[in-house]
Amino acid sequence: GDSVTQMEGPVTLSEEAFLTINCTYTATGYPSLFWYVQYPGEGLQLLLKATKADDKGSNKGFEATYRKETTSFHLEKGSVQVSDSAVYFCAGGGSNYKLTFGKGTLLTVNP
Amino acid sequence: GAGVSQSPRYKVAKRGQDVALRCDPISGHVSLFWYQQALGQGPEFLTYFQNEAQLDKSGLPSDRFFAERPEGSVSTLKIQRTQQEDSAVYLCASSQGQTTQYFGPGTRLTVL
Repeated sequence: GDSVTQMEGPVTLSEEAFLTINCTYTATGYPSLFWYVQYPGEGLQLLLKATKADDKGSNKGFEATYRKETTSFHLEKGSVQVSDSAVYFCAGGGSNYKLTFGKGTLLTVNP
Repeated sequence: GAGVSQSPRYKVAKRGQDVALRCDPISGHVSLFWYQQALGQGPEFLTYFQNEAQLDKSGLPSDRFFAERPEGSVSTLKIQRTQQEDSAVYLCASSQGQTTQYFGPGTRLTVL
């Protein structure tokens, strides 16, 4: 079946540091790929997405590029803020509509 | 506009009790999904509705779990004879067809 392998945390960074969270997806075909974020006490929010190879999703300074050859969708941000502290989930969804999630990565940004 | 809402936000049940969790999707969204999120894990798919039709229930862990969406809008996830292993956050999501899924805040179920 489909699976998502996501860099395990926790990840602790200082403010303005560079962030990378790795994600790879294994499936038949080429699914759409997503990053969701869960802030403390809140529900899952869509952060960004890409629907086909070479697409770049971006939002709030975060970026991820869909790499077809590796089915990877690594999340990056050039300068993190304290307010970015949250749990980040990588997910994939194919034509079967189900989303398959990674285990999540807890990010803590210290001032 | 209004997002996906779920109620109750928190539910404590004694082992063996039945519980019902409600989901109000975004108005007009055809597709509705239920996921289960265990502590420290990512959400796992339970079931999927397109309008009132339950097209996939392959993720329901046992026959104690039952979901319905009789009028193609509000959905209820029912768990009969709850067990401790049912303790989790239950997430509902809706989408307009096979597009981005928007999630509700979840219901945290604790079975004592």
